[in-house]
Amino acid sequence: QVQLQESGPGLVKPSQTLSLTCTVSGGSISSGSYYWSWIRQPAGKGLEWIGRIYTSGSTNYNPSLKSRVTISVDTSKNQFSLKLSSVTAADTAVYYCARGTSGSYYSPVDYWGQGTLVTVSS
Amino acid sequence: DIQMTQSPSTLSASVGDRVTITCRASQSISSWLAWYQQKPGKAPKLLIYKASSLESGVPSRFSGSGSGTEFTLTISSLQPDDFATYYCQHLSTFGQGTKLEIK
Repeated sequence: QVQLQESGPGLVKPSQTLSLTCTVSGGSISSGSYYWSWIRQPAGKGLEWIGRIYTSGSTNYNPSLKSRVTISVDTSKNQFSLKLSSVTAADTAVYYCARGTSGSYYSPVDYWGQGTLVTVSS
Repeated sequence: DIQMTQSPSTLSASVGDRVTITCRASQSISSWLAWYQQKPGKAPKLLIYKASSLESGVPSRFSGSGSGTEFTLTISSLQPDDFATYYCQHLSTFGQGTKLEIK
């Protein structure tokens, strides 16, 4: 059973870079044809797709965040990471990492981490 | 960008009711639509993929239909565990969510 776990600072100052890591257990991040994704949810609001990465290194980003987002993968550590630069209070949210059901461009996500709250505040 | 619009935003229903949630795409997305269920404080759970395929382990009272621009999620007989928020998704876009409440 694949499990995902987010980790990183829970508090980030405005204008700084938010950095989160997702550790995958129960299987190799580079086995099979999957993609690895980040999704966020502000308190009391809906889901926002941030982006995804394939183990080939290929990425897709939400156009509204693209200029500030970098997603990378470290297959040796079985982890993938999110960096979001120049954060503001609007970036305060629960951040989820998740796995695509397949490598298909159109496939949804099936396995999710439990989510981690990141607050942007001075 | 393709927009996904769900209706209603809130739905009140009783145990045993049949309920339907609608998701409309701003342009045709073929059958590339997924549905998720989310309970408070929890990560979403995949229910339906490719518009009408039931994810493994999901009860058969859940069903999805549609193609092109209009899609529906139907719960045939509401159970207490089904009261939650439901989201549709196409690629990088989620619907705004439908909160299913107990009447």
